[in-house]
Amino acid sequence: EAGVAQSPRYKIIEKRQSVAFWCNPISGHATLYWYQQILGQGPKLLIQFQNNGVVDDSQLPKDRFSAERLKGVDSTLKIQPAKLEDSAVYLCASRTMGRYEQYFGPGTRLTVT
Amino acid sequence: QQQVKQSPQSLIVQKGGISIINCAYENTAFDYFPWYQQFPGKGPALLIAIRPDVSEKKEGRFTISFNKSAKQFSLHIMDSQPGDSATYFCAASIRSGSARQLTFGSGTQLTVLP
Repeated sequence: EAGVAQSPRYKIIEKRQSVAFWCNPISGHATLYWYQQILGQGPKLLIQFQNNGVVDDSQLPKDRFSAERLKGVDSTLKIQPAKLEDSAVYLCASRTMGRYEQYFGPGTRLTVT
Repeated sequence: QQQVKQSPQSLIVQKGGISIINCAYENTAFDYFPWYQQFPGKGPALLIAIRPDVSEKKEGRFTISFNKSAKQFSLHIMDSQPGDSATYFCAASIRSGSARQLTFGSGTQLTVLP
């Protein structure tokens, strides 16, 4: 069974530019999460989708971050405009209904200069 | 109340020794407690998990001990190996409406010396 796929793996942008990250969850997993992991810290939840609907985006900085999961499978997380403090690893995770376990992708390391 | 406190921040153990990482939580609504292992440049990988109705769970060299009354849980790695050198995160899961969320500890960087 293929794991959670993410791309790109690395991205370097200048502040005020925009960037987008892509995630493909494990096949059949209805729930998808985006996390931000700042160096030396644990992952912090940004947004949770169930199928193509948002169930929790309370910790998403909505003035600059947006996310969508249009067909209930792939998801895209966008930052516009980026700030220096957005430098982090952005992790995608997925979970199947009725189970507790979340499985993470390899992440996208974003550096904002 | 949503915090999970993890200690120590870093740990150095000799090969063959026992590594112990501790976590504490406040919110009694947490109902699932996983541990994740993360290598540099990789995403967190689920290692072992426990529900609060169980006091101990063992999988190979990894054991979770859970103390519900103290609101604490710990990861024990027996016969630690250099390949275990990684960052370990405890986490706690809670259901909120139709959402299920994980709150992570701050991580423990484990180094196992050969």
